[in-house]
Amino acid sequence: AQSVTQLGSHVSVSEGALVLLRCNYSSSVPPYLFWYVQYPNQGLQLLLKYTTGATLVKGINGFEAEFKKSETSFHLTKPSAHMSDAAEYFCAVSGRQGAQKLVFGQGTRLTINP
Amino acid sequence: EAGVAQSPRYKIIEKRQSVAFWCNPISGHATLYWYQQILGQGPKLLIQFQNNGVVDDSQLPKDRFSAERLKGVDSTLKIQPAKLEDSAVYLCASSLDFVGDGYTFGSGTRLTVV
Repeated sequence: AQSVTQLGSHVSVSEGALVLLRCNYSSSVPPYLFWYVQYPNQGLQLLLKYTTGATLVKGINGFEAEFKKSETSFHLTKPSAHMSDAAEYFCAVSGRQGAQKLVFGQGTRLTINP
Repeated sequence: EAGVAQSPRYKIIEKRQSVAFWCNPISGHATLYWYQQILGQGPKLLIQFQNNGVVDDSQLPKDRFSAERLKGVDSTLKIQPAKLEDSAVYLCASSLDFVGDGYTFGSGTRLTVV
């Protein structure tokens, strides 16, 4: 079974600083990996995903993530934080076969300091 | 493209009462999911439908929760009787057959059991 661990339930950065949100996965075979963002009182919105091909994937709002098989990681980064990036971020994993379903991490709350 | 519609947005009930949530997925999406998101946690899958058949309901508390998907389109999730620990946001999501496309989530129903 797949699982993900998000390191740090709360991350705080200054506006303009680098954003780094950590995600490690557990899977016996290379999985599909996703990052979702959730703003207050809203559903989850897909930021980016890795399914196959290039290991560095770019998403919306300037975010990107790199799939590193050797480290079983899929960390999310953004070079320069904006106030509008303040939200909850979830890493998720899915198997490639069978009854595919997303398994989510616990989430990381990102706070942006002016 | 219309998104995933959910209703109601908010619901407050007393313990031991019953409640139902409704979801209308994106047109053409064969797969529908119900997730439970407890405050401070990542979403947890309750049930997954493929058209109108259940694919995975292993984490659905079947003594009190039930769900159906009529004609492979709309879905309802019911809780009867509700417990205090059922207080959460209930998220509906839908996807095409291929999970690598990611899910589209609705805005959720926030349930408070008092």
